[in-house]
Amino acid sequence: AQSVTQLGSHVSVSEGALVLLRCNYSSSVPPYLFWYVQYPNQGLQLLLKYTSAATLVKGINGFEAEFKKSETSFHLTKPSAHMSDAAEYFCAVSDRGSNYQLIWGAGTKLIIKP
Amino acid sequence: KAGVTQTPRYLIKTRGQQVTLSCSPISGHRSVSWYQQTPGQGLQFLFEYFSETQRNKGNFPGRFSGRQFSNSRSEMNVSTLELGDSALYLCASSLAGGSGNSPLHFGNGTRLTVT
Repeated sequence: AQSVTQLGSHVSVSEGALVLLRCNYSSSVPPYLFWYVQYPNQGLQLLLKYTSAATLVKGINGFEAEFKKSETSFHLTKPSAHMSDAAEYFCAVSDRGSNYQLIWGAGTKLIIKP
Repeated sequence: KAGVTQTPRYLIKTRGQQVTLSCSPISGHRSVSWYQQTPGQGLQFLFEYFSETQRNKGNFPGRFSGRQFSNSRSEMNVSTLELGDSALYLCASSLAGGSGNSPLHFGNGTRLTVT
């Protein structure tokens, strides 16, 4: 069965610095990969999704993610962090074996230092 | 277009009671999924309904149940509440369901506290 690993339950970066949030999935290439963001006291919101059209995917708020089959990774990046990026980020992959039900990572809390 | 609406936002119940949570999906969305979110367990899938039929189910006891109405609105019910049921319950709707290529749109959740 598919599994998703997000490295680091908390990541702290300075405002203006590069944001890198890591996501690795297991086994064979999944059909779809997603990043969602959750701001305090809110539900999750789609940041971007990979659907095999291009390996570099651009999302909202300046985020992008690159699908790397050889590394089974789908890391999320943003060149310059803003205070408003402080939130929890979730990586998710669809699972062929479970009728494409989403498998979720544990989430990474992004902390922005002024 | 209105987003996913969950009611109520906050709920406090006593152990042993039961609770019903409501979710109104985005207009035109036929799939509704429910998730439980806790600090220790993260996001856990409860079940998914599509056109009034349960299509997928997570690994939760039978105390957790749900249903979907003909207008796609959904309810989930938890009976005989336990302290461990305290969590944020999130509802998400999507056009096609199955989450394959159809992103989920989440509501802001219902925060359930069991005392």
